[in-house]
Amino acid sequence: EAQVTQNPRYLITVTGKKLTVTCSQNMNHEYMSWYRQDPGLGLRQIYYSMNVEVTDKGDVPEGYKVSRKEKRNFPLILESPSPNQTSLYFCASSPDRGNSYEQYFGPGTRLTVT
Amino acid sequence: QKEVEQNSGPLSVPEGAIASLNCTYSDRVSQSFFWYRQYSGKSPELIMSIYSNGDKEDGRFTAQLNKASQYVSLLIRDSQPSDSATYLCAVHDYKLSFGAGTTVTVRA
Repeated sequence: EAQVTQNPRYLITVTGKKLTVTCSQNMNHEYMSWYRQDPGLGLRQIYYSMNVEVTDKGDVPEGYKVSRKEKRNFPLILESPSPNQTSLYFCASSPDRGNSYEQYFGPGTRLTVT
Repeated sequence: QKEVEQNSGPLSVPEGAIASLNCTYSDRVSQSFFWYRQYSGKSPELIMSIYSNGDKEDGRFTAQLNKASQYVSLLIRDSQPSDSATYLCAVHDYKLSFGAGTTVTVRA
């Protein structure tokens, strides 16, 4: 089954404790992206990757890191989480179909930082 | 920074009626336009994409694009309770930008 998977789905952590949220897709998509979703603010892009070893900042990259060492994986790293990073996070991927970029989303990770 | 604005809901419509959702965007070079549906607690799923001016119909959904006026809309005909969800407008040029969403409730 073609899908984007994220782990963990739910995470409660404390301020300053490094964490990684994994994202994997089995559709051989070039483009992958991380978003956070907050009430009233919609989806905001954190980082994106056009291909292996190619990453770039989105609209809200502060406090986050990413890497793209393999085409299928795009982990999101919070080196020192803070309460304002409490949010619902989505990973997404899309094939590079010209300018279409129709994105397929993972199930989401709900993160709470206390 | 590109802005994508959607009409602020929530929008409540009776079953069988037409739900009309609007979206405006600020970046004139935007090329691709999408509507995503998001059920509560779930991830967004793509329901419509439109790339050129005019209407595009898919079942009960019709997307309308007017690049000169910088707006894109979504019509849901014969609304069903299963259409109750938040609808996200997304606009793409070099990256995808989303509106905050409009929540639709279809009353049985």
